[in-house]
Amino acid sequence: EAGVVQSPRYKIIEKKQPVAFWCNPISGHNTLYWYRQNLGQGPELLIRYENEEAVDDSQLPKDRFSAERLKGVDSTLKIQPAELGDSAVYLCASSKTRNTDTQYFGPGTRLTVL
Amino acid sequence: AQSVTQLGSHVSVSEGALVLLRCNYSSSVPPYLFWYVQYPNQGLQLLLKYTSAATLVKGINGFEAEFKKSETSFHLTKPSAHMSDAAEYFCAVSAAYSSASKIIFGSGTRLSIRP
Repeated sequence: EAGVVQSPRYKIIEKKQPVAFWCNPISGHNTLYWYRQNLGQGPELLIRYENEEAVDDSQLPKDRFSAERLKGVDSTLKIQPAELGDSAVYLCASSKTRNTDTQYFGPGTRLTVL
Repeated sequence: AQSVTQLGSHVSVSEGALVLLRCNYSSSVPPYLFWYVQYPNQGLQLLLKYTSAATLVKGINGFEAEFKKSETSFHLTKPSAHMSDAAEYFCAVSAAYSSASKIIFGSGTRLSIRP
């Protein structure tokens, strides 16, 4: 069984530029999560999808961040414009159903904003 | 609300020695508790989880953790460390029986193994 796929693995951009991250969850997993992991910290939830519906986006900075999960499968997280403080690892995870099901994480995208 | 405190950002043990990583939680409702491991440049992998069944939980790679409600602790142990155990370990908590609850992660403990 293929795991959670994320791309790109690494991204370096100048501040004020846009950037997008892509995630393909494990087949059959209805719940998808985007986390941000700052250096030396644990992951923090940005947004959670149940199928194509965003059910928890309270931690997503909506002035510059957006996400979508069309057709309830893969998902894209976008930042526009990026700021220096956005440098972090962006992790995608998926689970079969509800929040307390085991979450399977992708390898993450390491974003560096210069 | 839930929170997790991991005691010690860095733990170093000798190969073959006991591994003990400490985690204390705070939760206003019965908790679910998790330990995840993260190897360099990889995502997190679930080691074990407590979901209100047996208080001693056995996980992968020889790890186990014990839920102690009176101490609000969920420490991770392994009797004999291997070099391959070197990684970052995260304790996490969520609210039991709540589909709306998010998982809250601690700040992590980096485990180093000395030859």
